[in-house]
Amino acid sequence: DQQVKQNSPSLSVQEGRISILNCDYTNSMFDYFLWYKKYPAEGPTFLISISSIKDKNEDGRFTVFLNKSAKHLSLHIVPSQPGDSAVYFCAACTQGGSEKLVFGKGTKLTVNP
Amino acid sequence: EAGVAQSPRYKIIEKRQSVAFWCNPISGHATLYWYQQILGQGPKLLIQFQNNGVVDDSQLPKDRFSAERLKGVDSTLKIQPAKLEDSAVYLCASSPGTGEETQYFGPGTRLLVL
Repeated sequence: DQQVKQNSPSLSVQEGRISILNCDYTNSMFDYFLWYKKYPAEGPTFLISISSIKDKNEDGRFTVFLNKSAKHLSLHIVPSQPGDSAVYFCAACTQGGSEKLVFGKGTKLTVNP
Repeated sequence: EAGVAQSPRYKIIEKRQSVAFWCNPISGHATLYWYQQILGQGPKLLIQFQNNGVVDDSQLPKDRFSAERLKGVDSTLKIQPAKLEDSAVYLCASSPGTGEETQYFGPGTRLLVL
């Protein structure tokens, strides 16, 4: 049973436009959510996180939105840049991050110049 | 600050052989994680250490996989004997171990079992 789902394997956007990556989860006990970015031959790099007590967290060009009633979160990148091209993983955990992370399968983002 | 170090970066073995991976976490990080990432999937936690004690190894195939973190610093993950389905990237991550916190990943070891 996949508790964290990223239903879009890939996404292609033009440089300067908005990228929206989506993630759904099934476990209502999850209370902390993270996005990781992964380049080829490298380990995942932490990008941004959000606690379940918030519905939005912003860091520069990156904003994560959380809709708890829909068990859905999204990552917005504005404006998108070619260097943002990577695989983005959504992850979730319980107890504010002290428990194990459960990852989605990832979405490959390609930003075209 | 040095990141999480892993070696080797790549390993090719035949099925039924054994293999070991090494991880050195970020200095001072109490919590260490081993993940398995199969192609097209997200990372899956195999084992979590807090200092030199095991916190969670519920998804570790204990008949063939073992891991240790004897001095609470670096760690070794071993597979013996390897199967074809063990082909994956093995990622090590660490975190401070103080509560709500981010996990920092190493570059991974890519294993191919033939």
